[in-house]
Amino acid sequence: QKEVEQNSGPLSVPEGAIASLNCTYSDRVSQSFFWYRQYSGKSPELIMSIYSNGDKEDGRFTAQLNKASQYVSLLIRDSQPSDSATYLCAVRPGGVGQNFVFGPGTRLSVLP
Amino acid sequence: DVKVTQSSRYLVKRTGEKVFLECVQDMDHENMFWYRQDPGLGLRLIYFSYDVKMKEKGDIPEGYSVSREKKERFSLILESASTNQTSMYLCASSPQKGAIVGYTFGSGTRLTVV
Repeated sequence: QKEVEQNSGPLSVPEGAIASLNCTYSDRVSQSFFWYRQYSGKSPELIMSIYSNGDKEDGRFTAQLNKASQYVSLLIRDSQPSDSATYLCAVRPGGVGQNFVFGPGTRLSVLP
Repeated sequence: DVKVTQSSRYLVKRTGEKVFLECVQDMDHENMFWYRQDPGLGLRLIYFSYDVKMKEKGDIPEGYSVSREKKERFSLILESASTNQTSMYLCASSPQKGAIVGYTFGSGTRLTVV
């Protein structure tokens, strides 16, 4: 069974620090990777996607992908209290028509 | 931007009632999905559809059915609601099968069965 794993947290960081969220996946031929942010009581919101090995930056967010290690991470620089949320990692496995596999999410708390 | 609209934000139903949850997307997406989300269990796929009149079972289809008569609308039906179906229900859509873009979620329906 294809799996995506994340530390459930909570991960607590002080305001202004870098938050590092990690995700590992089991399907070696996965091609597409996504990070969603979900505030309490709200629906998931797509914040980053990454398809190639290396780093992808978007504002304060950086996604990092290492396919050899089957590892994807999300860095949040200059963390703000408004970043406090659950972050879901989603992986699209290899093969045609494969649905996303979601991780359980990591709860991030940014302390003022 | 793609908009996925779920008809109800909060819903309270009685045990045994037939419940309809509606989802409409406005960007001509082929794929639509129904998930439920419960604390500690994450997102679980109930049903999905890659085309009109097409439906496939997800990981937890028992007690549910779906209908997709039009491309933009995907309905989730609880045939006889039970208390263990109390949950947050999330609809999502994405472009054609095989596309590598992310899913877009609706705002969710929090269903309570009493």
